[in-house]
Amino acid sequence: AQSVTQLDSQVPVFEEAPVELRCNYSSSVSVYLFWYVQYPNQGLQLLLKYLSGSTLVKGINGFEAEFNKSQTSFHLRKPSVHISDTAEYFCAVDAGGTSYGKLTFGQGTILTVHP
Amino acid sequence: SAVISQKPSRDICQRGTSLTIQCQVDSQVTMMFWYRQQPGQSLTLIATANQGSEATYESGFVIDKFPISRPNLTFSTLTVSNMSPEDSSIYLCSVDGQSGANVLTFGAGSRLTVL
Repeated sequence: AQSVTQLDSQVPVFEEAPVELRCNYSSSVSVYLFWYVQYPNQGLQLLLKYLSGSTLVKGINGFEAEFNKSQTSFHLRKPSVHISDTAEYFCAVDAGGTSYGKLTFGQGTILTVHP
Repeated sequence: SAVISQKPSRDICQRGTSLTIQCQVDSQVTMMFWYRQQPGQSLTLIATANQGSEATYESGFVIDKFPISRPNLTFSTLTVSNMSPEDSSIYLCSVDGQSGANVLTFGAGSRLTVL
């Protein structure tokens, strides 16, 4: 079974500052990793994914994440945030195989960008 | 990626009643999933909706409470039966991405409030 821990429930930051949202996971098998964003009163939108290959993955809206297998982490970063990045961010894992599509989500991190 | 329409987007229901949520996809998809997001919580997989056979439920979810239909490759319904206030949640439909993409696309969700 997999589990996901998002280490910060809330992250306040000022506009144009850098931000890192932390995610650790545990799994006995290789996993696929995802970050989703949920804007107020909207569904989930995929930010980026790690399936294989380069450990640094780039997503939409200037976000990137680095897969670190030894530390079982997949932290999300953005060098300069905007007010419009205010949202809740979810880290998720998928063990693939027969578990394909069965995402295990973290508890979410609410990112609030202040002017 | 697929476009998902969910109905209703929100509803207020009375205790003891049942409500059916519809999920319509604009293209044929292999996998369809139903997730629940309780207030202030992360997303939890309820079941996999299988076309032509019974849904596969995750631990803690049963068919009598959450009957699911999947009559074809573009449509599914989730019924929340005999509702109680604890069923107040956002229910999200999701589908697999393009072949081999290992990515889920989510609908905007159906926000149910049970009084």
